Amino acid sequence: QIQLVQSGPELKKPGESVKISCKASGYTFTDYAMHWVKQAPGKGLKWMGWINTYTGKPTYADDFKGRFVFSLEASASTANLQISNLKNEDTATYFCARGTLLAHWGQGVMVTVSS
Amino acid sequence: DVVMTQTPVSMSVSLGGQVSISCRSSQSLVHNNGNTYLSWYIQKPSQSPQLLIYKVSNRFSGISDRFSGSGSGTDFTLKISRVEPDDLGVYYCGQGTQYPYTFGAGTKLELK
Repeated sequence: QIQLVQSGPELKKPGESVKISCKASGYTFTDYAMHWVKQAPGKGLKWMGWINTYTGKPTYADDFKGRFVFSLEASASTANLQISNLKNEDTATYFCARGTLLAHWGQGVMVTVSS
Repeated sequence: DVVMTQTPVSMSVSLGGQVSISCRSSQSLVHNNGNTYLSWYIQKPSQSPQLLIYKVSNRFSGISDRFSGSGSGTDFTLKISRVEPDDLGVYYCGQGTQYPYTFGAGTKLELK
């Protein structure tokens, strides 16, 4: 069955960096794009962008240009999200989601940024 | 960006009842390819969102026929009939017709 398994929760200080992983199984990794979605505590869903898992080309929503990087370890069927120079407002749960329809979601990674 | 407006923000329902959730987009969601990429998701407490309906009215794999989607252009509706306890949570509409993808603010479905 299709699964997206994300890495564990992170506690970071402002200014630090974090890398979150999303390991896919149950399908051919390069057949579907991987999207990233942010959910701040108690808030709704915000689309961050996506990465073409075949070419590796990322596309970022405007609010996520600069400090956010999508990458792949295609041989490991894994998509990564790296956030640098963390700010308090980056405190959120980050989801990966498969394909144009966002049909399958990872369990989410809670990132807490606090001094 | 396409703004998605969901109503109501929350609603109470009795088990076995029926509910309708409205979603309006600030622009037409008809893609150049003729498809309308309007989806509905449910997020149950402490869980990831789950796809219920895609392209306006198509139920995702394993989704009960108690869930139905309708609409066109900028106006869409999700109906849930014979509400069960497992239906409780926050429902989001979302559009994938143009970048950036955007979501409605959510409708919380609670028990009356």
